Amino acid sequence: KQEVTQIPAALSVPEGENLVLNCSFTDSAIYNLQWFRQDPGKGLTSLLLIQSSQREQTSGRLNASLDKSSGRSTLYIAASQPGDSATYLCAVGNRDDKIIFGKGTRLHILP
Amino acid sequence: SQTIHQWPATLVQPVGSPLSLECTVEGTSNPNLYWYRQAAGRGLQLLFYSVGIGQISSEVPQNLSASRPQDRQFILSSKKLLLSDSGFYLCAWSPNLNTEAFFGQGTRLTVV
Repeated sequence: KQEVTQIPAALSVPEGENLVLNCSFTDSAIYNLQWFRQDPGKGLTSLLLIQSSQREQTSGRLNASLDKSSGRSTLYIAASQPGDSATYLCAVGNRDDKIIFGKGTRLHILP
Repeated sequence: SQTIHQWPATLVQPVGSPLSLECTVEGTSNPNLYWYRQAAGRGLQLLFYSVGIGQISSEVPQNLSASRPQDRQFILSSKKLLLSDSGFYLCAWSPNLNTEAFFGQGTRLTVV
């Protein structure tokens, strides 16, 4: 059974700093891994999708990496801004058609 | 372009009442469809997923059921709500497993 873990559960950093969010999964038989952002009381916004054959994806200040063999992914946020404050969720697309989420990292950027 | 509609946005229901949440997707065909629940302070729990009409897989035993009467329509139901059914319900779709998943705006359900 696929399990997805995100560390840390919460993180506060001063504005302008670079930061890394971590995601690990137990079953490496995945199709892809996706990072989402969730603002309080809202739905999920897709940030980056990494296919199982890829090592990383970049979008603006965001860079996501994937090491499928070790079951790890990281989301790197450069030059953090107060608007980056949100919960970040990692999800893996399993080969059994399920999409399994971690519990997320609550990020707070201090102005 | 593809869009996903989920309604209602908020719902307050008494214990023992029925529930019907609807999710529809436009601009695609034969999508994978998903229902998730997010309880306060917890992660997203996969409730049901469907890879085609009439094909529903349930993840956890519970007081809820799902149906897919049309290709792009996914309905979450309950005959009698429990207090523990309160939460934030999210519908999602993806073209197939190799592509992005897209989420609706969610329904905040409070059972009183």
